Amino acid sequence: ETGVTQSPTHLIKTRGQQVTLRCSSQSGHNTVSWYQQALGQGPQFIFQYYREEENGRGNFPPRFSGLQFPNYSSELNVNALELDDSALYLCASREQGARGYTFGSGTRLTVV
Amino acid sequence: AQRVTQPEKLLSVFKGAPVELKCNYSYSGSPELFWYVQYSRQRLQLLLRHISRESIKGFTADLNKGETSFHLKKPFAQEEDSAMYYCALSRGGSNYKLTFGKGTLLTVNP
Repeated sequence: ETGVTQSPTHLIKTRGQQVTLRCSSQSGHNTVSWYQQALGQGPQFIFQYYREEENGRGNFPPRFSGLQFPNYSSELNVNALELDDSALYLCASREQGARGYTFGSGTRLTVV
Repeated sequence: AQRVTQPEKLLSVFKGAPVELKCNYSYSGSPELFWYVQYSRQRLQLLLRHISRESIKGFTADLNKGETSFHLKKPFAQEEDSAMYYCALSRGGSNYKLTFGKGTLLTVNP
């Protein structure tokens, strides 16, 4: 058990719809990042939250948004889904002073 | 801008042979470099980071600032080393975003 759980594991949505992906980190992991991993690519940074505030963002449009909650859970919301949003979405969290991030298993999103 | 290049998409070696997975990076400051590994049907996990100068599962990696490289090496590959390996860079300190390479799929044949 690595302490980072993502739900759902798989999801199929239609173009134009909205989706919410969830991540649950273990206690003390006050930094959470979200990554998008397209097929055959490495993970790409979407944004990061620290103590419920966004403190870093990658090259993703505003329709990608997030929230972090006091109970160490977080959400990634994507509006107006496009076919290119089909990917594996990874959540990674970290506690202060840890060696590195702990990754979840990801949510596989397919947009049709 | 930060960039990580892993020139080999696939690498195949025989058990007991040395293995080297290449990673080159581009960053103007002082980066922190990592290797992440993903075994079949498992999640991405940290293998090692340059700042620790450690050896994990027989793997080592040395940061060469002159060549801007952080190659991962193991003198004698084992079948259980077969996995996807990602090199990643952070601009400084582990609390910053990771920029990943595209990954190298290592296959160790019996």
